[in-house]
Amino acid sequence: NAGVMQNPRHLVRRRGQEARLRCSPMKGHSHVYWYRQLPEEGLKFMVYLQKENIIDESGMPKERFSAEFPKEGPSILRIQQVVRGDSAAYFCASSSGTGMGTEAFFGQGTRLTVV
Amino acid sequence: AQSVAQPEDQVNVAEGNPLTVKCTYSVSGNPYLFWYVQYPNRGLQFLLKYITGDNLVKGSYGFEAEFNKSQTSFHLKKPSALVSDSALYFCAVRVSFVSSGTYKYIFGTGTRLKVLA
Repeated sequence: NAGVMQNPRHLVRRRGQEARLRCSPMKGHSHVYWYRQLPEEGLKFMVYLQKENIIDESGMPKERFSAEFPKEGPSILRIQQVVRGDSAAYFCASSSGTGMGTEAFFGQGTRLTVV
Repeated sequence: AQSVAQPEDQVNVAEGNPLTVKCTYSVSGNPYLFWYVQYPNRGLQFLLKYITGDNLVKGSYGFEAEFNKSQTSFHLKKPSALVSDSALYFCAVRVSFVSSGTYKYIFGTGTRLKVLA
């Protein structure tokens, strides 16, 4: 059973370009979370999605950032018109259900560098 | 506000000595608490969790954590540290929002553990 798969592992974008980060949850998991980790900082919650629905996007910047989790295919975190401050590691996690004791499993992350 | 605090940015311990990484929480209702470890350039790996029952929880790689309700703490411990334990450790709590029916994991800022040979 493959774990949470994120790609690409490393992504370099010039200022003003778009960044697309992909996350395939573990098999059987329908809950996906995206987190951002800035250098020397902790994990900041961004968005929580279930299939085809955004459940909680309270951590998403109001502009340029969007996320989706379609019925088929991976979850996508999209950052439009990237700026240097977007450089960070973006982690995706998935869990199996609504049981409060369920742990989340993390992918290896995508390291975005904006030049 | 529901939150998790890790008061120490870094903990240094000599190899073979016991280690403790501190975590306190603030939640309404029953806490569901987790510890994760992150090695350089890697994702987070689940170590252990507390849901209910015995206050001492055992996890991966010889780690354990003690839940203390009166002190609202969930400190991570290991009797004898290894150099290979050097990593970034995150405490997390899963919180639910009754009004919206949603829940999410809230993480602490992380504690860097350095085990010295």
